[in-house]
Amino acid sequence: DARVTQTPRDKVTEMGQEVTMRCQPILGHNTVFWYRQTMMQGLELLAYFRNRAPLDDSGMPKDRFSAEMPDATLATLKIQPSEPRDSAVYFCASGLGVGNTGELFFGEGSRLTVL
Amino acid sequence: KQEVTQIPAALSVPEGENLVLNCSFTDSAIYNLQWFRQDPGKGLTSLLLIQSSQREQTSGRLNASLDKSSGRSTLYIAASQPGDSATYLCAVNSDEKLTFGTGTRLTIIP
Repeated sequence: DARVTQTPRDKVTEMGQEVTMRCQPILGHNTVFWYRQTMMQGLELLAYFRNRAPLDDSGMPKDRFSAEMPDATLATLKIQPSEPRDSAVYFCASGLGVGNTGELFFGEGSRLTVL
Repeated sequence: KQEVTQIPAALSVPEGENLVLNCSFTDSAIYNLQWFRQDPGKGLTSLLLIQSSQREQTSGRLNASLDKSSGRSTLYIAASQPGDSATYLCAVNSDEKLTFGTGTRLTIIP
């Protein structure tokens, strides 16, 4: 059963701490996205990769957020230092970006609470 | 910049009824449109994907249509069941990224 796997599922941390979220895309998928979901803003695109190369991270606060793909089976999203306004659910999604006509599959999300 | 709107924001219907959810978008230059379902505290489950060259897609009791020129899509659910209760999100793929609507929260009353 191929699926996108995200860890941790839930994270509670204090303001100023570093937070790292991880995502394992579906094997063979070459496009990976990070989205953030809040009640106020809905789903917002933070960054995305194709073939491990970052294509767009304009949705991320660059001073504190960073996204990487160390290899084809792992994508990471790091926040340092974290702030209460970062509290949200962070979703990873993967797909086959051939001509960008492919379907996207989402993980269960990482719920972050920054106190 | 692509903007996606979903109306209504919430909908309650008795079990067994057919219903339609609406999605509109501002830029018709899209690759495809995808409908998702989200249960509380869960991720997004893909329901249907319509390519820009298609007019509709069907899966079981679900039928999605696309009118690209008018910037509209509908999701039709036949013979609704309590298990259909969830938030339904429409997402438009343009400029290589998905832009989401704010969703319609659907409640099916037994």
